Amino acid sequence: AQSVTQLDSQVPVFEEAPVELRCNYSSSVSVYLFWYVQYPNQGLQLLLKYLSGSTLVKGINGFEAEFNKSQTSFHLRKPSVHISDTAEYFCAVNRNAGNMLTFGGGTRLMVKP
Amino acid sequence: GAGVSQSPSNKVTEKGKDVELRCDPISGHTALYWYRQSLGQGLEFLIYFQGNSAPDKSGLPSDRFSAERTGGSVSTLTIQRTQQEDSAVYLCASSSQVGQTAQNIQYFGAGTRLSVL
Repeated sequence: AQSVTQLDSQVPVFEEAPVELRCNYSSSVSVYLFWYVQYPNQGLQLLLKYLSGSTLVKGINGFEAEFNKSQTSFHLRKPSVHISDTAEYFCAVNRNAGNMLTFGGGTRLMVKP
Repeated sequence: GAGVSQSPSNKVTEKGKDVELRCDPISGHTALYWYRQSLGQGLEFLIYFQGNSAPDKSGLPSDRFSAERTGGSVSTLTIQRTQQEDSAVYLCASSSQVGQTAQNIQYFGAGTRLSVL
């Protein structure tokens, strides 16, 4: 079985500041890693994914994440946030040959002017 | 439409009633998933359909929950004798089948918000 931990339930940050949303996972098998964003009253939208290859992956809206196998982490970063980035962010894993996503508890990013 | 469509967007019901939630996946997607999003439990997997294979029901919380997928497209999630703890947002997702299932991007609908009074 795998599990996902998002260490911060809320992250307040000022506009144009950098941000890092932390995600750690545990799994006894290889996994694929995803970050999703959920805006109010909407479904989840994929930001980026790591399947294999380069450990630094770039996604939409200027976000990027780095896969660190030794630390079992997949932290999400953005160098300069906008008000419009205010949303809930979910880290998720799917094990090799698995079907369902296992999600972390989510991190609410609150961007202040 | 281009995305995953779920109906109704909101459903209020009385404890003990049955409810049906509908999901229209993206055209051509062979895989369909149901998840539940609640305050106490976060996002949880419920059930997975892939083509004509038997569904993976391992996430269904009780036998009051069931789902079917007709003609490999539309899916209905049914909750019988609803309880207050069933109150949550029910999300449907679909994906294409390219390579390993686990690698495929799941596209989510906006969800059905179920409130059991």
